[in-house]
Amino acid sequence: QVQLQESGPGLVKPSETLSLTCTVSGGSISTSSFYWGWIRQPPGKGLEWIGSIYYSGSTYYNSSLTSRVIISIDTSKNQISLNLSSVTAADTALYYCARQSFSAYARWVRWGQGTLVTVSS
Amino acid sequence: DIQMTQSPSSLSASVGDRVTITCRASQNIKNHLNWFQQRPGRAPELLVYAASSLQNGVPSRFSGSGAGTDFTLTISTLQPEDFATYYCLQSHSTPVWTFGQGTKVEI
Repeated sequence: QVQLQESGPGLVKPSETLSLTCTVSGGSISTSSFYWGWIRQPPGKGLEWIGSIYYSGSTYYNSSLTSRVIISIDTSKNQISLNLSSVTAADTALYYCARQSFSAYARWVRWGQGTLVTVSS
Repeated sequence: DIQMTQSPSSLSASVGDRVTITCRASQNIKNHLNWFQQRPGRAPELLVYAASSLQNGVPSRFSGSGAGTDFTLTISTLQPEDFATYYCLQSHSTPVWTFGQGTKVEI
């Protein structure tokens, strides 16, 4: 069964770049059946889709974050990465990576356990 | 972008109650609507996909309905383990997803 595991620094200073990695095990990310995405959840708040990437490298970003977000894929390592620049306290959140079905049905969604990132000096 | 409006934001209920949560899309999303349950400290878990299809292993007291712009999640007989936060998600514009604001079901 596919598993996703997020990793990266738990503390980032304001104005710096948040960088996270999601390692996928139990299946290849080089598949046409899925997108690979990032979703975040500020403490005590709701879920926000950040962006997604296809195995081809095509990327899709939340319009509210597009100027600060870069998502990349490393098929040799079976990993996707998130870079969010110029962070502020508002970017403090639990960051999840997720597998998204290529179709418009979310039946095959898989989530990582999430990693908490705090933005603070 | 497709906007999702979920209501209520919270509700108080008792074990055995029937609970209904609604979600409205800003445009026609056919049946590309999903419902998730999230317990504290846990990743969201899929309950319903395609508006009304129950994910494997989800108890039959959960049901989803609707199409187009208006959708409903119903818990027919609330159980203690159902006290959680529920989110709708539109996947019509996959991979661009939009979540509802969430509904916290409290005792």
